[in-house]
Amino acid sequence: DARVTQTPRHKVTEMGQEVTMRCQPILGHNTVFWYRQTMMQGLELLAYFRNRAPLDDSGMPKDRFSAEMPDATLATLKIQPSEPRDSAVYFCASGSQGSSVYVSNQPQHFGDGTRLSIL
Amino acid sequence: AQTVTQSQPEMSVQEAETVTLSCTYDTSESDYYLFWYKQPPSRQMILVIRQEAYKQQNATENRFSVNFQKAAKSFSLKISDSQLGDAAMYFCAYRSATSYGGSQGNLIFGKGTKLSVKP
Repeated sequence: DARVTQTPRHKVTEMGQEVTMRCQPILGHNTVFWYRQTMMQGLELLAYFRNRAPLDDSGMPKDRFSAEMPDATLATLKIQPSEPRDSAVYFCASGSQGSSVYVSNQPQHFGDGTRLSIL
Repeated sequence: AQTVTQSQPEMSVQEAETVTLSCTYDTSESDYYLFWYKQPPSRQMILVIRQEAYKQQNATENRFSVNFQKAAKSFSLKISDSQLGDAAMYFCAYRSATSYGGSQGNLIFGKGTKLSVKP
């Protein structure tokens, strides 16, 4: 079965360090979503891309977070500088979406997440 | 903005028994999709079942079924013949079916219900 691949699976680093999380969407999927999961806030959308173009990153703290899709097989989420409050599980999900205003009923496929701990 | 509410932070069920997890949502849209995701301790996000709002018939997937009440904006999940492997966090999620309101297919999650299964 095709899967969304996220690396690393775990990351522990000190406050102030740069963190880069990577996601390989399922081949053929043109939509990528980044979600953050914390105990307090639950699952929140950070950013999403369609056909590699960022459509919305309003959920991200712009001063320290950045999301990119250098090519169709790679999405990255960077935090610089990292802070303890960034500790969370970060999920990437991919899906298929046409150019129509109608959103596909096909479900998103999630990666296994990156558990990030900032000391 | 759409919201999803899961009012039961924790639930418990005896193995082989039936349990129902509650979910309500708020939206002004008429076209949308609803999902239940399961997250075991391995933290994978696994799609359990989905429902299109335009369908009156409740979705069923083996031991999992939903009770979709569109007018009441309720979407409960019933697990029959509960098994030990059903123990997990369960998330209810909403997704717009059109991009008119700015959505591009991102999921809006409830806070989750932790289900324990007793042997």
